[in-house]
Amino acid sequence: DQQVKQNSPSLSVQEGRISILNCDYTNSMFDYFLWYKKYPAEGPTFLISISSIKDKNEDGRFTVFLNKSAKHLSLHIVPSQPGDSAVYFCAASNFGNEKLTFGTGTRLTIIP
Amino acid sequence: DSGVTQTPKHLITATGQRVTLRCSPRSGDLSVYWYQQSLDQGLQFLIQYYNGEERAKGNILERFSAQQFPDLHSELNLSSLELGDSALYFCASSVDRGNPQYFGPGTRLTVL
Repeated sequence: DQQVKQNSPSLSVQEGRISILNCDYTNSMFDYFLWYKKYPAEGPTFLISISSIKDKNEDGRFTVFLNKSAKHLSLHIVPSQPGDSAVYFCAASNFGNEKLTFGTGTRLTIIP
Repeated sequence: DSGVTQTPKHLITATGQRVTLRCSPRSGDLSVYWYQQSLDQGLQFLIQYYNGEERAKGNILERFSAQQFPDLHSELNLSSLELGDSALYFCASSVDRGNPQYFGPGTRLTVL
């Protein structure tokens, strides 16, 4: 049972434009959400997180939006840069069980 | 650099053998988490320790065990190894609930 889903396996975006990565979840107990960036054979790098009491969180070029009623979150990267090319994972947890449940990832390619 | 260190980086061994993976968390982090990433599966949670005590368990095999020592470093022990145990093993740490988990670079285990 895939509780966290990233339905787009890949995404290509022109340099300088906005990249939007999407994630859906089914478990209504999740209350903490994170985005990680990952290169092959390296550990995931934490980018940004959001708790369920908020609907938006910004950090530099990265903004995460949470729509609890739709059980949907998205990561916006503006402007996109070539160094952003990587696989992006969303992850979710809840306060009582801190294990992260990961989505399957979206490969983002920034075209110069 | 996340501040989480893992050794060794690569490990090649034979079926039936036992190995120990080591993780040092970020300074000040009390929680350590272990995850497995196989080729055909995403990142899967194995086990969590908090300040020396086991706090949560995922789908960890009985052949696998872990511990966290007084200096907060953690070891993951894998025994009676099978071909299917070949994977990337990641350690992550966080200060406590509701905070991001920061991942180490991983240990690539190859069982021949």
